[in-house]
Amino acid sequence: NAGVTQTPKFRILKIGQSMTLQCTQDMNHNYMYWYRQDPGMGLKLIYYSVGAGITDKGEVPNGYNVSRSTTEDFPLRLELAAPSQTSVYFCASTRDRANYGYTFGSGTRLTVV
Amino acid sequence: AQTVTQSQPEMSVQEAETVTLSCTYDTSESNYYLFWYKQPPSRQMILVIRQEAYKQQNATENRFSVNFQKAAKSFSLKISDSQLGDTAMYFCAFMKQNSGNTPLVFGKGTRLSVIA
Repeated sequence: NAGVTQTPKFRILKIGQSMTLQCTQDMNHNYMYWYRQDPGMGLKLIYYSVGAGITDKGEVPNGYNVSRSTTEDFPLRLELAAPSQTSVYFCASTRDRANYGYTFGSGTRLTVV
Repeated sequence: AQTVTQSQPEMSVQEAETVTLSCTYDTSESNYYLFWYKQPPSRQMILVIRQEAYKQQNATENRFSVNFQKAAKSFSLKISDSQLGDTAMYFCAFMKQNSGNTPLVFGKGTRLSVIA
């Protein structure tokens, strides 16, 4: 019963580098989300998806891209990393009736230097 | 847009005592859901309790209960018989109720320390 799996758990990037944060869920959830958590700022929504092939922007999408080719996977791509993207990133998923709360991954701590 | 405010950045409580964390929200919606999430030092986000706005009865989960005041747009979390394992960040969150997808909106969190 894996739930939501995020990889890697930690990463250090240099300014201008790119990387993909992986997120996989095995619960057949249609809805998936990417949040970032900055110190003292709570969680802010980056992108979300309501199903395979469908994605939409959240509150803070600039500098990120996503794709959803399968129900299970929802990778987050960072292009041209900047120090402002230093944060902890959480992936989450939920059932169709989005009123049961989310299942979260364990997060990825990203540092851009 | 909905906003969630947690006015207590940090709190502490003695072990076995009771503590209440505050949360207020702003919305024009009449139907919605409210949540409290716990984030221990492990960083994992754990759902503590949820409340449907159409229910007048306050939700309870073992030592955790809420005081939901819809008119005042207030949703506080009470932790009874506090335990060392309750030490964590606590986030209040709001979600509109509709047939489609509506992302959770989070407050900035309250850091709770339980002292032995």
